[in-house]
Amino acid sequence: GDSVTQMEGPVTLSEEAFLTINCTYTATGYPSLFWYVQYPGEGLQLLLKATKADDKGSNKGFEATYRKETTSFHLEKGSVQVSDSAVYFCALPLRGSARQLTFGSGTQLTVLP
Amino acid sequence: EPEVTQTPSHQVTQMGQEVILRCVPISNHLYFYWYRQILGQKVEFLVSFYNNEISEKSEIFDDQFSVERPDGSNFTLKIRSTKLEDSAMYFCASSAPTSGRTDTQYFGPGTRLTVL
Repeated sequence: GDSVTQMEGPVTLSEEAFLTINCTYTATGYPSLFWYVQYPGEGLQLLLKATKADDKGSNKGFEATYRKETTSFHLEKGSVQVSDSAVYFCALPLRGSARQLTFGSGTQLTVLP
Repeated sequence: EPEVTQTPSHQVTQMGQEVILRCVPISNHLYFYWYRQILGQKVEFLVSFYNNEISEKSEIFDDQFSVERPDGSNFTLKIRSTKLEDSAMYFCASSAPTSGRTDTQYFGPGTRLTVL
């Protein structure tokens, strides 16, 4: 079935380091792809999305490009800040469902000053 | 910016008791959802709701669970007889339907349910 696989965490970086969190997906067709972020003690917030192949989603300095050749949607940021410390989830809708999101296992990011 | 709200933020209950988790979706949204996240595990879909009826539900959403939109603003999840394994963070979400592609779901801050 449709699924996403995220890189294992946790990830610890120094401030201003480059971030990549890998996400690959298995799906029939070309579903929309999402990154959600969960800050400590808070709920899920949509970070960015891409609705078709080659689209690039971006927000708050984060970017992810929908690559159908490699079935990937890796999250990147050029210079992380302490405030980016959170858990990041890749997600897509399940096959045959427009609205039932399936999430990756989440990647814990800690940014040290 | 409009947001999804949930109450309470934390609910503690005894096993076998009924609980109702409440959500106020974004006002012009038409689809409503519940997800849950057991501590340390993935976020899991429970149910989606549209036009006053369940549109999709997962295997987790058994007869112990029910949802309701009792008025024009609230959306509730009821667990009839709680079990220890129902302890989790429960997230409400809502979306506005868009043509063609998947709606973007906006999540509330969650209710942490602890069953003792």
